[in-house]
Amino acid sequence: GQNIDQPTEMTATEGAIVQINCTYQTSGFNGLFWYQQHAGEAPTFLSYNVLDGLEEKGRFSSFLSRSKGYSYLLLKELQMKDSASYLCAVRGVNAGNMLTFGGGTRLMVKP
Amino acid sequence: DTGVSQDPRHKITKRGQNVTFRCDPISEHNRLYWYRQTLGQGPEFLTYFQNEAQLEKSRLLSDRFSAERPKGSFSTLEIQRTEQGDSAMYLCASSSQAASGGADTQYFGPGTRLTVL
Repeated sequence: GQNIDQPTEMTATEGAIVQINCTYQTSGFNGLFWYQQHAGEAPTFLSYNVLDGLEEKGRFSSFLSRSKGYSYLLLKELQMKDSASYLCAVRGVNAGNMLTFGGGTRLMVKP
Repeated sequence: DTGVSQDPRHKITKRGQNVTFRCDPISEHNRLYWYRQTLGQGPEFLTYFQNEAQLEKSRLLSDRFSAERPKGSFSTLEIQRTEQGDSAMYLCASSSQAASGGADTQYFGPGTRLTVL
């Protein structure tokens, strides 16, 4: 089975940097995804890591350490519109290709 | 290029009724997924299609749930004899390994919010 942990809530200030951590335990690993979800809307894809290291995409970066079962999402120059839930999801190696999601981290950006 | 679409966006039904939801994936995507999400939780996997073949079903998918993808394009999810515990957001996603450089990224539709009274 798979177990994914991430903090339930975080608060940060506009213009600042915030790091959202995700730890996972899986029976097989074939990639880790981060999604952003605004209230009442669908999850939107942010980043994908399958090898160790940092992937950078504009204001968002994601890091993966497979040996530690650990990832983080780094958001720079926070904007009010970044207030949302951030979902960490792991894909296993089974035939289903399914994603197992953590409970999400609700980020509140304050002025 | 349009994204994943779902219909209806909202459904209110009485306990015991049957409901059916539709998902239209991104046109070139051969893989289609259904997930269920309750408030404050991450999505939970329900089932997965590759083309028209249903290749995986979660233990969450009781025998009251059935999904089809008859021509490998759109999919339907039917819930029979709905229960209050079925109230949730039902999300559809699609992907294509060829279109995403091997990442096989899943792109989600807006969801159907089901309320069972």
